Amino acid sequence: GAVVSQHPSRVICKSGTSVKIECRSLDFQATTMFWYRQFPKKSLMLMATSNEGSKATYEQGVEKDKFLINHASLTLSTLTVTSAHPEDSSFYICSAAPQGYSGNTIYFGEGSWLTVV
Amino acid sequence: GQQLNQSPQSMFIQEGEDVSMNCTSSSIFNTWLWYKQDPGEGPVLLIALYKAGELTSNGRLTAQFGITRKDSFLNISASIPSDVGIYFCAGQLYGTASKLTFGTGTRLQVTL
Repeated sequence: GAVVSQHPSRVICKSGTSVKIECRSLDFQATTMFWYRQFPKKSLMLMATSNEGSKATYEQGVEKDKFLINHASLTLSTLTVTSAHPEDSSFYICSAAPQGYSGNTIYFGEGSWLTVV
Repeated sequence: GQQLNQSPQSMFIQEGEDVSMNCTSSSIFNTWLWYKQDPGEGPVLLIALYKAGELTSNGRLTAQFGITRKDSFLNISASIPSDVGIYFCAGQLYGTASKLTFGTGTRLQVTL
């Protein structure tokens, strides 16, 4: 089946620095990628929708300048957490949808744990 | 953002028992999806439902798309230890793209 890979799976960074998380579709072209944030024992909250070659669409309450999303190719989207603070520590998950998607062709990555110290 | 309400929030059951959980929304959805998430992993799709009233099975799992399009349920029969995890429903709003709205989750614990 289709595979979506995230890197790194775990990252620790110092407060005030920026950290980048990659989301790659390994065996299909993803016209759309989604970025979610999940706190412990909580649900997935959509942060933004990323379309290849265009600006990401952010959900209400998500800071665009804080969470920079780039979808430069049909197989790669990146999420950069800028000037990270401890409250940004969370589990970040991406998903990707190929062209002609339906509900069951949205594939999730393994997630990336971010810890800001 | 909007979330779908799932119940129960958590369940402790014995191996072999059947499990039922449901998901409700104030909005209509044109697709309902059920996922399982293991700790520290991304969610994995279990069942996808596309039509009101649709009943679909995947092994020991059965899910139904509510007639009103505002709810769905998931049943697991004869539970086994590897069923442990968090189960999420997700809805795809009518007329939108692949954007999903997730439920609050049901945490399932299975004891031997």
